[in-house]
Amino acid sequence: AQTVTQSQPEMSVQEAETVTLSCTYDTSESDYYLFWYKQPPSRQMILVIRQEAYKQQNATENRFSVNFQKAAKSFSLKISDSQLGDAAMYFCAYRSATSNFGNEKLTFGTGTRLTIIP
Amino acid sequence: DSGVTQTPKHLITATGQRVTLRCSPRSGDLSVYWYQQSLDQGLQFLIQYYNGEERAKGNILERFSAQQFPDLHSELNLSSLELGDSALYFCASSVAAPDTQYFGPGTRLTVL
Repeated sequence: AQTVTQSQPEMSVQEAETVTLSCTYDTSESDYYLFWYKQPPSRQMILVIRQEAYKQQNATENRFSVNFQKAAKSFSLKISDSQLGDAAMYFCAYRSATSNFGNEKLTFGTGTRLTIIP
Repeated sequence: DSGVTQTPKHLITATGQRVTLRCSPRSGDLSVYWYQQSLDQGLQFLIQYYNGEERAKGNILERFSAQQFPDLHSELNLSSLELGDSALYFCASSVAAPDTQYFGPGTRLTVL
């Protein structure tokens, strides 16, 4: 079974600075997807970014980018020019790319709470 | 706004009772997933439906059941409720089974 580990329960960053959230995962599969979801105080789960394992290029969405290291099974999220609205819980998630019964669920890490300091 | 709707937003009930949570997926999405978020268990997958058929089961208790209707909305039924069932229940949907999942706002269930 796949596991996802987020070893930083809490992080803080000064507004306008850059912060990196860590995520590692364990899998025997070669093809899969990785995601970062953001959960602000409203509790809504919002997709931040998605990475396909077969793509070597790191995904980027505006101020959000990832550092995907497949061999190391590492998937970190970098937030540039941090804003007050980035304060949230961030979850790393894994999903198999094979479309078999039971493989399509998301497996989540325990989350990192990000605080933005004005 | 993800396009996934869930009702009700909040639900307060007593132990032993039964409740039904409702989810409407994004327009065109065939796959619906249910997740439970609790303080001690984190975010856990419960069950998945695809175009009306159950496709996968996760850590879903026997007291819980779900179904997806012909109009693709889904309901999660929780019965014989216990204090430990208090949690945030999310529904997510995707176009096809292996696709990005978009989450609804969740239903917060409190069992007293």
